[in-house]
Amino acid sequence: NAGVTQTPKFRVLKTGQSMTLLCAQDMNHEYMYWYRQDPGMGLRLIHYSVGEGTTAKGEVPDGYNVSRLKKQNFLLGLESAAPSQTSVYFCASSRMKLTKNTGELFFGEGSRLTVL
Amino acid sequence: GENVEQHPSTLSVQEGDSAVIKCTYSDSASNYFPWYKQELGKRPQLIIDIRSNVGEKKDQRIAVTLNKTAKHFSLHITETQPEDSAVYFCAASKDTGNQFYFGTGTSLTVIP
Repeated sequence: NAGVTQTPKFRVLKTGQSMTLLCAQDMNHEYMYWYRQDPGMGLRLIHYSVGEGTTAKGEVPDGYNVSRLKKQNFLLGLESAAPSQTSVYFCASSRMKLTKNTGELFFGEGSRLTVL
Repeated sequence: GENVEQHPSTLSVQEGDSAVIKCTYSDSASNYFPWYKQELGKRPQLIIDIRSNVGEKKDQRIAVTLNKTAKHFSLHITETQPEDSAVYFCAASKDTGNQFYFGTGTSLTVIP
């Protein structure tokens, strides 16, 4: 049981290049999230998904796109990378929220992206 | 949307002392408040959580208190140890919602 796995772990891009971060979870979770973590700013939600085929915008969605074609995978895309997107990106998943559910987020190990 | 503020941003304590981290939230409908611990270079992990129908919850050396009226909640760590050194994040969420709103984090250093 690997939990939440992110690839790649590290990537350096030039301004204007594109890339995709892959998140995979093997816990059969309904909910999946992409966060970015910047110094002094905590974890900010980029996009999230409440189930296969669905996506929604979070707090900071501009410059990113996502897709959830399979329940276990959630992809984060940067079409034209900018230096402001230099960050550590975390994927997370959780079970479908029920009244008594803990709602615990299970995070991946993070992906460090540098845009030059 | 929800706004979660967290203080202090950095905290240093001597080993064995207590540490307290405070968070406030703005949306009175929020009813689930987890705390995550992130060790250096690692992923955040849930350490304790509390729901709005409970005022306090304890798990060994850590405890969380919630004041719904004032809309603030706190993490208390007693008898701190060097392995407690990490960044701690509070968050707020609603059972009827889909998003977790995180505070900006507190970097705790326990000095041996």
